[in-house]
Amino acid sequence: SQQGEEDPQALSIQEGENATMNCSYKTSINNLQWYRQNSGRGLVHLILIRSNEREKHSGRLRVTLDTSKKSSSLLITASRAADTASYFCATQGGSEKLVFGKGTKLTVNP
Amino acid sequence: NAGVTQTPKFQVLKTGQSMTLQCAQDMNHEYMSWYRQDPGMGLRLIHYSVGAGITDQGEVPNGYNVSRSTTEDFPLRLLSAAPSQTSVYFCASIEVLGGETQYFGPGTRLLVL
Repeated sequence: SQQGEEDPQALSIQEGENATMNCSYKTSINNLQWYRQNSGRGLVHLILIRSNEREKHSGRLRVTLDTSKKSSSLLITASRAADTASYFCATQGGSEKLVFGKGTKLTVNP
Repeated sequence: NAGVTQTPKFQVLKTGQSMTLQCAQDMNHEYMSWYRQDPGMGLRLIHYSVGAGITDQGEVPNGYNVSRSTTEDFPLRLLSAAPSQTSVYFCASIEVLGGETQYFGPGTRLLVL
């Protein structure tokens, strides 16, 4: 039962540019999380935003949440080659377990 | 702190063989999960546990067993391996306070021939 769906599936940008990834979901949520996965590694938690929050920042990361549109975006500013990874959104609603999307593959070219 | 550790890193099995994927965490989390990751499919929940002695099925439990005898360990058993179980398996330890933030292990790559 896939909940979050990331868009685009793949994104290629130049170092220094901003990268924006979007996540849409279908049902009400308690929180939405973003994770990063470097090639061949486990996922790493980036940020959690609760349903009553609209925006959160962490370093070069900015996450927004629009519950009326059931969507979230992850913005990475001033991207670096080291940001090359897959980014997943995950949603949690009610007593449901966390459900992950299929991810956006970001490539940052030096 | 080691966080979440998984062994082995790689494994090749023949169809019908059984094996256990090990997972251990040292963060004293009550909740733990097992996922499989297949190309283009994202992560799918296999089994999870909310504490020692308590486990439940996730989205794709068939062919897998789990047990949770201690807070630290959450092994995943493949009873009779099938080629469809070729995948990358991730264990996660979950911090529940404020939302279920998951801490993932490095994964086990499994190939079933």
